[in-house]
Amino acid sequence: AQTVTQSQPEMSVQEAETVTLSCTYDTSESNYYLFWYKQPPSRQMILVIRQEAYKQQNATENRFSVNFQKAAKSFSLKISDSQLGDTAMYFCAFMRNNAGNMLTFGGGTRLMVKP
Amino acid sequence: NAGVMQNPRHLVRRRGQEARLRCSPMKGHSHVYWYRQLPEEGLKFMVYLQKENIIDESGMPKERFSAEFPKEGPSILRIQQVVRGDSAAYFCASKGPDNQPQHFGDGTRLSIL
Repeated sequence: AQTVTQSQPEMSVQEAETVTLSCTYDTSESNYYLFWYKQPPSRQMILVIRQEAYKQQNATENRFSVNFQKAAKSFSLKISDSQLGDTAMYFCAFMRNNAGNMLTFGGGTRLMVKP
Repeated sequence: NAGVMQNPRHLVRRRGQEARLRCSPMKGHSHVYWYRQLPEEGLKFMVYLQKENIIDESGMPKERFSAEFPKEGPSILRIQQVVRGDSAAYFCASKGPDNQPQHFGDGTRLSIL
């Protein structure tokens, strides 16, 4: 079974600064996908970024980027130029390749962006 | 192009009643997943369905919970004889073929009195 661990229950950052959220996972699979989802107070689950394990290049989406360290089973999210709208819960998630494709989520990190 | 639609958004039930939660996947998506989110926790997988088939229900409680995805109409998550511990947000997600990402609905918040 896969496990996903987010060791930072809460974090805060000043507006316009950079923050990094940590995620580690445990799996015996070699082919899988990793995701970061954002859940604002409205409770929607919004896909932020996705990484295929077979790709060495780190994924980037505008102000969001990841640091994927496959050997260390680490998948951190960096948010640059933080904005007030980034305030939300952030969940790291793991998905095996095929085999049902269900997601295994971490416990989440609550991020507060301060003006 | 409508996203994943869940209804109702909020549902209140008394202990012992039945709760029915509905999910209409995105157009063209034939894979549906249900997740449960307890307060201050991450989402936990419950069940994975394709049209008329339950593919994986390893996350479903053994009693009182059932799910279906009929040929026509939405997917239904049914909870019989609800108890206080069933209070949670229930999310549905759908996806297309292969390893495309899942798209989530806005969830149903179930409250048990």
